[in-house]
Amino acid sequence: QKEVEQNSGPLSVPEGAIASLNCTYSDRVSQSFFWYRQYSGKSPELIMSIYSNGDKEDGRFTAQLNKASQYVSLLIRDSQPSDSATYLCAVNDPSGNNRLAFGKGNQVVVIP
Amino acid sequence: NAGVTQTPKFQVLKTGQSMTLQCAQDMNHNSMYWYRQDPGMGLRLIYYSASEGTTDKGEVPNGYNVSRLNKREFSLRLESAAPSQTSVYFCASSARGRFGYTFGSGTRLTVV
Repeated sequence: QKEVEQNSGPLSVPEGAIASLNCTYSDRVSQSFFWYRQYSGKSPELIMSIYSNGDKEDGRFTAQLNKASQYVSLLIRDSQPSDSATYLCAVNDPSGNNRLAFGKGNQVVVIP
Repeated sequence: NAGVTQTPKFQVLKTGQSMTLQCAQDMNHNSMYWYRQDPGMGLRLIYYSASEGTTDKGEVPNGYNVSRLNKREFSLRLESAAPSQTSVYFCASSARGRFGYTFGSGTRLTVV
């Protein structure tokens, strides 16, 4: 069973601040990493993918990957109320069959 | 671009009734998946189909069956619904795990 851990509780950030989310994974061989955003009552939406160590930036989002430490993080800069959602970390299952393992998610609340 | 289409969006069943949840994708993806999402439990994989003609059990297959009808369609059947199957069900598809999943809009199922 591949494990993806998102241990932080709900995160409240003031508007304009940086929200930081962390995720650790158990399988050292994993190669592909994803962040999904899920608004209440909606389906998960892919917002970031990262495959190599280091940072990947897309607009106000930055994904960071450290394979040696087996963690991936997501930074949301200049947080907006529209960023209030649950963020799911997902990691590919290297045993094949195109499967992803998902964390349970972190809720982010941006306070105006 | 329809993406992944799920029907129905809402359903109420009585204990013991059967029903089939339909899922279709128009992105020519090889792999398709059925998840359920419950509060505090995250996304749990019920069944998946790595490619047309194959299906495999996920984490929580009991009480469910699936059919990969063709490359586009993957259905989930509840033969005898139980209150424990009250949940939100998501279908997803993927070209390859490296590219993440695309989710359907979900089916909110209540079994009374």
